[in-house]
Formats: sequence, C-alpha cells, structure tokens
Amino acid sequence: DAMVIQNPRYQVTQFGKPVTLSCSQTLNHNVMYWYQQKSSQAPKLLFHYYDKDFNNEADTPDNFQSRRPNTSFCFLDIRSPGLGDAAMYLCATSRESGDRDEKGYTFGSGTRLTVV
Amino acid sequence: AQSVSQHNHHVILSEAASLELGCNYSYGGTVNLFWYVQYPGQHLQLLLKYFSGDPLVKGIKGFEAEFIKSKFSFNLRKPSVQWSDTAEYFCAVNGYGNNRLAFGKGNQVVVIP
Repeated sequence: DAMVIQNPRYQVTQFGKPVTLSCSQTLNHNVMYWYQQKSSQAPKLLFHYYDKDFNNEADTPDNFQSRRPNTSFCFLDIRSPGLGDAAMYLCATSRESGDRDEKGYTFGSGTRLTVV
Repeated sequence: AQSVSQHNHHVILSEAASLELGCNYSYGGTVNLFWYVQYPGQHLQLLLKYFSGDPLVKGIKGFEAEFIKSKFSFNLRKPSVQWSDTAEYFCAVNGYGNNRLAFGKGNQVVVIP
C-alpha cells in the first residue's frame, strides 16, 4: 500500500548531539511537511517542501533543518537537540490537485524523540 | 493565517452516549476542513473532510461533521460512542492556495465502558 513511512519509530539522542529523522513516501506527492507535536498540544508545522522549494515557518528555530534529496525522501535534522525538543515528529505529504485545490494529507506514524 | 479553536480539551462519557466536539476556525477566505483522530500510540488518521458541496459530511466509524459557514464552525458528532472511540480528536483547516494545515489543540475523549 502507498504510504508515508517514518524511521525510526523511537529515537533517543543526547543533549547537543545532532540527530536526523527520516521520512519516505510511495504516494508520489509533491509536498512534504514536518510537524512537531508535544504532549497534549496540537501538531505545529515546522516547514514544508513544495517540490524542491523549501518553506520555513517564521517561528521554527534555526536548530531545525530539512533536506529533500528527491521526491520520495525528506529528512529532519536537529543540529543541537535540547530537552525542549523532545516531542513526536510527524511527516506528512499532500499533492497539489490543480484548480480545485483539494488537498488530502497523509501522515506517517511519527518518530518520538527523547533527549537525555 | 488560519487558526483553529477546539474547546473542552478533556471529554469523558459513557458508551452509547452522544458526542459532539466543537471546532471554530478563523480565515478570511475559502477553506478545506478536516477532522483527524489519533488513537493511543498511533498516528493521525483522517476521519472526514470537507472541501465543497453538502455541508454535512459523513466519515468513517459513524462520525459526521457539519460545516456552518456563517459560524465558521465544523463540529464533529457521533450519535452513540463506543469504548474504541477513546482517542484524541483534532480539527484542522487549510485555506485555499495555502499549503499549511493548521490544527486545533485537540480533544482528549475517554469513553467509559
């Protein structure tokens, strides 16, 4: 089945040690998103790629970076994780549908990041 | 930018009771509206969505939602809940021509057997 896959499901990293989370999709969607979801809070958009164009949210810390080497893969890099970065990180995809602008979003299972 | 409000973050009810979760959004233009469910330990799953047409939308698992444009609302309903409906429910909106999907803070629903 076409889907959005995130690896790993759980990631433990040390304070200040760079970490990379990965997302792959078989949907051939042209837009990929990274959300941060902390406990009991709404998912918060960090950034998204529209094709190869990177779109950063204004309040996303510089500590967070992203790469999209091809349509199928997107990575979230946290350069120096702090304790406050512990969260669930969600990857999502969508496809522009032309004039009708009807977007369906597909979410991955998420990666739960723990910072020790 | 669009924003979403969900009230009554924690809802506890018994099986067979009716459920209604409120969702209000703010956005000046045309919107797409969604309800997602997140079961414990699982990823977000789409319950239903509204793009256009009939404002009463039926989704999976017996859920429905009604878009009331004049009230900027998209409330979720289920006539008779089951224990398996215990989950967190998120309302989300994106404006036409806008890739950003904005979420509400969610409703934690606990159904007691």
